[in-house]
Amino acid sequence: GAVVSQHPSRVICKSGTSVKIECRSLDFQATTMFWYRQFPKKSLMLMATSNEGSKATYEQGVEKDKFLINHASLTLSTLTVTSAHPEDSSFYICSASAIAGGRNEQFFGPGTRLTVL
Amino acid sequence: GNSVTQMEGPVTLSEEAFLTINCTYTATGYPSLFWYVQYPGEGLQLLLKATKADDKGSNKGFEATYRKETTSFHLEKGSVQVSDSAVYFCALTILGGAGNMLTFGGGTRLMVKP
Repeated sequence: GAVVSQHPSRVICKSGTSVKIECRSLDFQATTMFWYRQFPKKSLMLMATSNEGSKATYEQGVEKDKFLINHASLTLSTLTVTSAHPEDSSFYICSASAIAGGRNEQFFGPGTRLTVL
Repeated sequence: GNSVTQMEGPVTLSEEAFLTINCTYTATGYPSLFWYVQYPGEGLQLLLKATKADDKGSNKGFEATYRKETTSFHLEKGSVQVSDSAVYFCALTILGGAGNMLTFGGGTRLMVKP
């Protein structure tokens, strides 16, 4: 099946630094990638939708200057948390959308746990 | 707008017990419905889906039937195992495919004891 990887799986950083999270579709080309944020024991909150080669579409309330998304190719999207603060600590999950065999499905990465000290 | 409501957990069951996790939805348009499972420390995996009314999705002993009249998509399993312990998310998308934006329910944590 389709595999989506995220790197790193865990990151701990100091307040004020920037952190980059990569999302890769390993065996398929993803027309669209989604970034979600998940708080402890909560559901996923969609942050943004990105299409290769175009600007990401951010959900209401998500600061685009703080959460920079770059979708450089059909297999790679990156989320950069700029000037991270403790309230940015969360589990970040990406998903990649692929059309295969007439089906249009989303495949999820394993997530990245960010802890900001 | 679109929304998904799930029963709050945690749901604690003994092994081989019957499982039901309720899910209801509201949607502007004709949704496709999904159940995803998240094991500890991992991302989400698609468990099953249904794309039209009266469809039944099934996988790994889990089932859910798309009920348009009650706007529900309840998840059931006849005999749970310890390995089923996870968080289950009900979700919907409009335009008929998971490649489009998903709206998730709050998630229900299932704990199965031996």
